[in-house]
Amino acid sequence: GAVVSQHPSRVICKSGTSVKIECRSLDFQATTMFWYRQFPKQSLMLMATSNEGSKATYEQGVEKDKFLINHASLTLSTLTVTSAHPEDSSFYICSAREGSGAQGDQYFGPGTRLLVL
Amino acid sequence: AQSVTQLDSQVPVFEEAPVELRCNYSSSVSVYLFWYVQYPNQGLQLLLKYLSGSTLVKGINGFEAEFNKSQTSFHLRKPSVHISDTAEYFCAVSPASGGSYIPTFGRGTSLIVHP
Repeated sequence: GAVVSQHPSRVICKSGTSVKIECRSLDFQATTMFWYRQFPKQSLMLMATSNEGSKATYEQGVEKDKFLINHASLTLSTLTVTSAHPEDSSFYICSAREGSGAQGDQYFGPGTRLLVL
Repeated sequence: AQSVTQLDSQVPVFEEAPVELRCNYSSSVSVYLFWYVQYPNQGLQLLLKYLSGSTLVKGINGFEAEFNKSQTSFHLRKPSVHISDTAEYFCAVSPASGGSYIPTFGRGTSLIVHP
């Protein structure tokens, strides 16, 4: 099946620094990529949706200047958490959709655990 | 807008017993329905999905789910569980029209299989 990778799998950083998370679709071209945030024992919260070559669409309440998303190609999207603070600590998951509509399955990456000290 | 309710936050069960994980949804439009499984510290994996056609959907790992439109439910079942089925299970719903097809996830049900 289709594979989505994320790098790094976990990162620890100091408060005030920026962290970049990469999401790659390894064997397919992703028309759309999604970024989610998951708190312990809770569901996935959609942060933003991005299409290759265009600006990301952010969900209400998500700061676009804090969570920078770049969808540079059909196989790569990056999420940069700028000036990270302890409250940004979370599990970040990306997913990539192959094809369009619901016929295109959504494949999820393994997640990146961010800890901000 | 759509919403998903997973009625049980945790379901303990013994190995080889049957299990049902409940999911109800609400929506003003037609929907597509999904079940995902998440193993510890991993992303989500699609178990099965309902788009149209037969209301009984069979997925991977022996799971199946039945779409009940009148009860707005999409419960997940497995006749005999294994230890390896211990994981978090998420029900999700997306609009069946409109173009975005972005799923909304429930809060998840933790399936704990005891030996």
